[in-house]
Amino acid sequence: KAGVTQTPRYLIKTRGQQVTLSCSPISGHRSVSWYQQTPGQGLQFLFEYFSETQRNKGNFPGRFSGRQFSNSRSEMNVSTLELGDSALYLCASRLAGGVQETQYFGPGTRLLVL
Amino acid sequence: GNSVTQMEGPVTLSEEAFLTINCTYTATGYPSLFWYVQYPGEGLQLLLKATKADDKGSNKGFEATYRKETTSFHLEKGSVQVSDSAVYFCALSEWVTGGGNKLTFGTGTQLKVEL
Repeated sequence: KAGVTQTPRYLIKTRGQQVTLSCSPISGHRSVSWYQQTPGQGLQFLFEYFSETQRNKGNFPGRFSGRQFSNSRSEMNVSTLELGDSALYLCASRLAGGVQETQYFGPGTRLLVL
Repeated sequence: GNSVTQMEGPVTLSEEAFLTINCTYTATGYPSLFWYVQYPGEGLQLLLKATKADDKGSNKGFEATYRKETTSFHLEKGSVQVSDSAVYFCALSEWVTGGGNKLTFGTGTQLKVEL
């Protein structure tokens, strides 16, 4: 079974631009979560989608948004980029979103904002 | 809110040494506990997990026991190898008010194993 895939793997943007990141979950998985990883803040939860609905959201400004499609693929969007948005963005999928289920992570998209 | 505290790194060991990485947590309910490992330039891989008190998770020689009385989930390995060099993250998963759940991570512990 193919793992979680994320595209693109690397991105360079300038302040004020917007960016869209894509995540394809493991086949059959309906829950997709997004995390931001930075050296200063560590791993922080952005949001979770299940069956095209956002189930919960972390403590991030409204510039961070996401969506999930009927095939469970997910995208996240960051508008009006700031230097502090430079990070590794990780997507994780799991079967049904249960608290005991393992989240399987993709390789991440590394975003650099100049 | 929920939180996870890990021992500070980096930890440097000689090959075949014993490894312990301490992890304690704070949670209001009954979380599931996980250890993930991250190799350079990669995402996170599940190392092991435990879903209830006194459960022991194990994989590739690594072990951790879910201790509710001490709110701990310490990672151990009897004999580390150079290939174990990576960053290790302790995490908990618990239901969130309003629906859904999320992983809350510790800060990560970098392990370097030398010959």
